[in-house]
Amino acid sequence: DIQMTQSPSSLSASVGDRVTITCRASQSINTYFNWYQQKPGKAPKLLIYAASSLQSGVPSRFSGSGSGTDFTLTISSLQPEDFATYYCQQSYSIPYTFGQGTKLEIK
Amino acid sequence: QVQLVQSGPEVKKPGSSVKVSCKASGVTFTSQTISWVRQAPGQGLEWMGRITPMLDIENYAQKFRGRVTLTADESTTTAYMEMSSLRSEDTAVYYCTRDLDGSGVLDVWGKGTTVTVSS
Repeated sequence: DIQMTQSPSSLSASVGDRVTITCRASQSINTYFNWYQQKPGKAPKLLIYAASSLQSGVPSRFSGSGSGTDFTLTISSLQPEDFATYYCQQSYSIPYTFGQGTKLEIK
Repeated sequence: QVQLVQSGPEVKKPGSSVKVSCKASGVTFTSQTISWVRQAPGQGLEWMGRITPMLDIENYAQKFRGRVTLTADESTTTAYMEMSSLRSEDTAVYYCTRDLDGSGVLDVWGKGTTVTVSS
């Protein structure tokens, strides 16, 4: 199975900050890579697919980049509603696997 | 608009089985792929398997093969996840998701079904 490693596991930031979360795959996955946001008690929500494509309806302050094994999610200017847990996921091969999550908290 | 509506919470005894349903609307059901993902309390996301009704194909994560069965009823546009031999570690929220064109992009999620396994 492909292992996905996210960093950091948690992050404190302020409204307006620029934030970057990284994810590394244990082998090359091209751009078969996605990011999800999850708020407490809610289902995850797709933010970015194919490493850098913004899902419809997702604000443009979210962006993704990377290919191969290293990927990043950037939030250009944090908004109050962005405080949540973020998960990366590879869709290169079955079983799909997720990173352990990054909890983004208010400083 | 695609919607996935899941069945309600379940409380089960260890060793028993549970069957969770996921009714799809707003989409041609037979051409969809439905993946199932679970999340134990305070933990991350774990992909369990997927089913494509039109192709009659199921794929399972090795961890769940033999204990989880995914099925689909085209007449009611409902997918099902059945897990047997339940143990306390199976206590989790179980999500059905649309696996877009079988690509692994999970673009629509149900609200989740809480399954509690306790004696």
